Amino acid sequence: GEDVEQSLFLSVREGDSSVINCTYTDSSSTYLYWYKQEPGAGLQLLTYIFSNMDMKQDQRLTVLLNKKDKHLSLRIADTQTGDSAIYFCAEIPEANQAGTALIFGKGTTLSVSS
Amino acid sequence: GAGVSQTPSNKVTEKGKYVELRCDPISGHTALYWYRQSLGQGPEFLIYFQGTGAADDSGLPNDRFFAVRPEGSVSTLKIQRTERGDSAVYLCASSLTGGQGRSEAFFGQGTRLTVV
Repeated sequence: GEDVEQSLFLSVREGDSSVINCTYTDSSSTYLYWYKQEPGAGLQLLTYIFSNMDMKQDQRLTVLLNKKDKHLSLRIADTQTGDSAIYFCAEIPEANQAGTALIFGKGTTLSVSS
Repeated sequence: GAGVSQTPSNKVTEKGKYVELRCDPISGHTALYWYRQSLGQGPEFLIYFQGTGAADDSGLPNDRFFAVRPEGSVSTLKIQRTERGDSAVYLCASSLTGGQGRSEAFFGQGTRLTVV
């Protein structure tokens, strides 16, 4: 079945780089996403990558996609305390032809210490 | 409005009662989604509306759950005969057009439902 897996916790020091990893099962997924959830706030779309891309960079964020291994990663450069949050990896599997149902991982809690 | 608004922010109800959760999407957004997020889990898809109609309700767990969007704007998620297992944060999202692959979905802050 469809499944998205992430490590549950990551702890880094301010100024270091953070790398959050995700594996997914549907090799036909067309879009893969990273969402951020802060306490008391809604999910915020950080970035997404189309399946025909290997990498996407957006300011401090770099997304790497390895389709062969079905592995997605999010790198945050110069991590700040404000980056502390839960990060969710999500996919839209090909089986969902309308592209409506995002399948989310359980989320990675990023803790940034100063 | 400026963002997706969900009311109430918190709801405590007794087992067996009926509850309604409301979502006000961003003005002009035709697509609306409901998700459920249990503690320690990622959001789980429930239902998707395109305009007034439910285009995909495959995520509704059983017939106690029902959602409407009569005028293509505000949506209400209705849960009958609530059970303790229904306790979760219910998230609503909207996007300008249908299909989350083509149009970014904006999420509300959610309604935390607690069934006691």
